[in-house]
Amino acid sequence: SYELTQPPSVSVSPGQTARITCSGDALPKKYAYWYQQRSGQAPVVVIYEDSKRPSGIPERFSGSSSGTMATLTISGAQVDDEADYYCYSTDSSGNYVFGTGTEVTVL
Amino acid sequence: EVQLVESGGGLVQPGGSLRLSCAASGFTFSTFWMTWVRQAPGKGLEWVANIKEDGGQKYYVDSVKGRFTISRDNAKKSLYLQMNSLRAEDTAVYYCASSRFNMVGYMDVWGKGTTVTVSS
Repeated sequence: SYELTQPPSVSVSPGQTARITCSGDALPKKYAYWYQQRSGQAPVVVIYEDSKRPSGIPERFSGSSSGTMATLTISGAQVDDEADYYCYSTDSSGNYVFGTGTEVTVL
Repeated sequence: EVQLVESGGGLVQPGGSLRLSCAASGFTFSTFWMTWVRQAPGKGLEWVANIKEDGGQKYYVDSVKGRFTISRDNAKKSLYLQMNSLRAEDTAVYYCASSRFNMVGYMDVWGKGTTVTVSS
């Protein structure tokens, strides 16, 4: 089955840049989406179609994709950004999958 | 208000069945893909199944194929997940989500989830 691989954790100081990677064989042909999940809450999409930011999501969140890797960047991370982040994409058969998840710590 | 509300979770014995429901309000339910996502205790998110606007296409994660059935009733603005032959590993919070921007991967509205516990 298709897998998306992320680092388990990323730690960043307030105001610094956090980068979260997502590796998957189908990413050259399929879009990546990024979801933020704060503790005890439902997920929220922060990036769609690799690099687009939904209305209401701060500009410090950005996304990119190159080859088999998608990247979520948080520029000028804030304490409020502490959460788990998941990439999400599809394989060629219509099935979707979440990445393994990355815990972001801002301290 | 745009809203999704899940119900139907609970405690069930291994091998048992449950039917989850997700009631939509505040948007045109019948025109969007819908998805079930689950999260086991302390674990990451897992896509379970999704269904096209008219119910004509359905997809499932391999681990639930043949046991779970996703369906919808557009007249009732409701999404369902029939879960049979439940296993301990199906224990999770189950979320329903909608994709209102014609991008299946962009799930913009989520419910708060309903908890399913499979245990004897």
